Amino acid sequence: GAVVSQHPSRVICKSGTSVKIECRSLDFQATTMFWYRQFPKKSLMLMATSNEGSKATYEQGVEKDKFLINHASLTLSTLTVTSAHPEDSSFYICSARGRNYEQYFGPGTRLTVT
Amino acid sequence: EDQVTQSPEALRLQEGESSSLNCSYTVSGLRGLFWYRQDPGKGPEFLFTLYSAGEEKEKERLKATLTKKESFLHITAPKPEDSATYLCAVQASTANSKLTFGKGITLSVRP
Repeated sequence: GAVVSQHPSRVICKSGTSVKIECRSLDFQATTMFWYRQFPKKSLMLMATSNEGSKATYEQGVEKDKFLINHASLTLSTLTVTSAHPEDSSFYICSARGRNYEQYFGPGTRLTVT
Repeated sequence: EDQVTQSPEALRLQEGESSSLNCSYTVSGLRGLFWYRQDPGKGPEFLFTLYSAGEEKEKERLKATLTKKESFLHITAPKPEDSATYLCAVQASTANSKLTFGKGITLSVRP
């Protein structure tokens, strides 16, 4: 099956700093990539959708200046959490959709802001 | 608005005790229905995509079926390693549509 990687898997940062998370589709070209956030024992919450070379589309209530998304190529998207605060601590998961509309998820990144 | 309801919320089975997980949906034109497995602290793992009513797909002990209103994930003779949360999602056939997820079913299989 298709493989999506995420890096780093875990990150701890201090309040006020920025953190970048990378998402790569390893064996297919992703026409669209998605970023989700997941709270403990809750379902996935879509944050934003991005197409290669276009600006990301953010879901209602998601601050685009805080969660910067760059979809630089058909295999790479990045999420930067700017000026992170403890309430941004969460599990972030990226997902990539190929030309057949099947959507594959990365392993997730656990962000802890101290 | 697209909706997905999964039942039951949690299911406990004895090893070898077959059962089914239900996913009911409403969508404005179905492009695909997806099943994923998620283990704690990990991203969802793709299992199946079903595109039209009557379609069935199998993988090891899992079999997914689809009707116009619901999908079932049948688990035959489950093993403890099948314990996980199973997510169902639908995608509408409109352009750039997103996945709409159910809340998931947490399956525990006792040895």
